Amino acid sequence: DGGITQSPKYLFRKEGQNVTLSCEQNLNHDAMYWYRQDPGQGLRLIYYSQIVNDFQKGDIAEGYSVSREKKESFPLTVTSAQKNPTAFYLCASSISQLAGVHNEQFFGPGTRLTVL
Amino acid sequence: LAKTTQPISMDSYEGQEVNITCSHNNIATNDYITWYQQFPSQGPRFIIQGYKTKVTNEVASLFIPADRKSSTLSLPRVSLSDTAVYYCLVGSGATNKLIFGTGTLLAVQP
Repeated sequence: DGGITQSPKYLFRKEGQNVTLSCEQNLNHDAMYWYRQDPGQGLRLIYYSQIVNDFQKGDIAEGYSVSREKKESFPLTVTSAQKNPTAFYLCASSISQLAGVHNEQFFGPGTRLTVL
Repeated sequence: LAKTTQPISMDSYEGQEVNITCSHNNIATNDYITWYQQFPSQGPRFIIQGYKTKVTNEVASLFIPADRKSSTLSLPRVSLSDTAVYYCLVGSGATNKLIFGTGTLLAVQP
């Protein structure tokens, strides 16, 4: 049963702590993405990866870091440098992300992070 | 980068056709237009994608005029379960950056 999973669904952390959000896909997709969504807002791109061992900053990368050591996994670390980390985080994957073509993105269920 | 603008909300009744427009005045030559549907506390779901003219699939149609500065998502005969937020996404092929619109909350009433 193919899909994209994120864990945990809800996450609470104290201010100043780093936290890592998990994203796994078994769709054999090359491209993966991380978005942030704030209440009543659209999605903003944090990082994306077109292929293993490669990733690029999106519009709001400051305070975040990622790794892409395996095709199936694209974890996101929210560091203490992120000034307002409380948000809904969405991970997505697509077959590929060639220049000029954006294939359908498949989204995970999201992780709601609350920093106390 | 293409910036997108959508109406904040729309109301409709069951069985009606709904048209949601997205404005993207600075769309680039290589950009595609994609629409997603999102329910509360869930990830968005792909609806339809197009480059120009008209695209139709089993759930929606997408109309894109010749100048490509806007696009219209058309949902035929909506039902209560179509109540959701709809986002248009303009893919910037030159920079590989993806810009989601602000989203339109569609409320379908019985």
